[in-house]
Amino acid sequence: AQRVTQPEKLLSVFKGAPVELKCNYSYSGSPELFWYVQYSRQRLQLLLRHISRESIKGFTADLNKGETSFHLKKPFAQEEDSAMYYCALSNAGNTPLVFGKGTRLSVIA
Amino acid sequence: SQTIHQWPATLVQPVGSPLSLECTVEGTSNPNLYWYRQAAGRGLQLLFYSVGIGQISSEVPQNLSASRPQDRQFILSSKKLLLSDSGFYLCARSQGTDTQYFGPGTRLTVL
Repeated sequence: AQRVTQPEKLLSVFKGAPVELKCNYSYSGSPELFWYVQYSRQRLQLLLRHISRESIKGFTADLNKGETSFHLKKPFAQEEDSAMYYCALSNAGNTPLVFGKGTRLSVIA
Repeated sequence: SQTIHQWPATLVQPVGSPLSLECTVEGTSNPNLYWYRQAAGRGLQLLFYSVGIGQISSEVPQNLSASRPQDRQFILSSKKLLLSDSGFYLCARSQGTDTQYFGPGTRLTVL
């Protein structure tokens, strides 16, 4: 069965500190992995996807098939990064996403 | 541009009352449409998805139902609400292999 695990409900870091939001998945095939973000009073939006291999707002995420992980990282956290982050998985194509339970990131000034 | 509308934005309903939440999409044809529920501490739960008019797949058994009467309209309904139906309901769309884009959501409180 497809499953996405985000072990941390809440992560608090100081401004300027590195951030790593953990995501592990279970899937038998070759999944597509995504990170979605929801800022306060805004709609859920795509942050990045592993096939794009890009950095968005300073965030990167590398798919590690050996460890079945897709951790989200940023070297220096900013206050505006405070939000709810969801890791999600899809088996590509016209299929629904499977989401983790989310991690709330709080960046403290 | 492609836009997703959800109506209403917030709703307070008594237990046992009916429910109808609407999602409409602009700027695209034959999208895949989804209903998710976001509950505190439980993340995002897929409720229904649709790949075309009249085609609905249900992911979890519950007292909710969904319908797609038009290509760009997706409706979430219930005949009798339960307290446990409270939550934030999100509609999403995707096109082919494109990623999913979400609407603004509807906050439902069942009292």
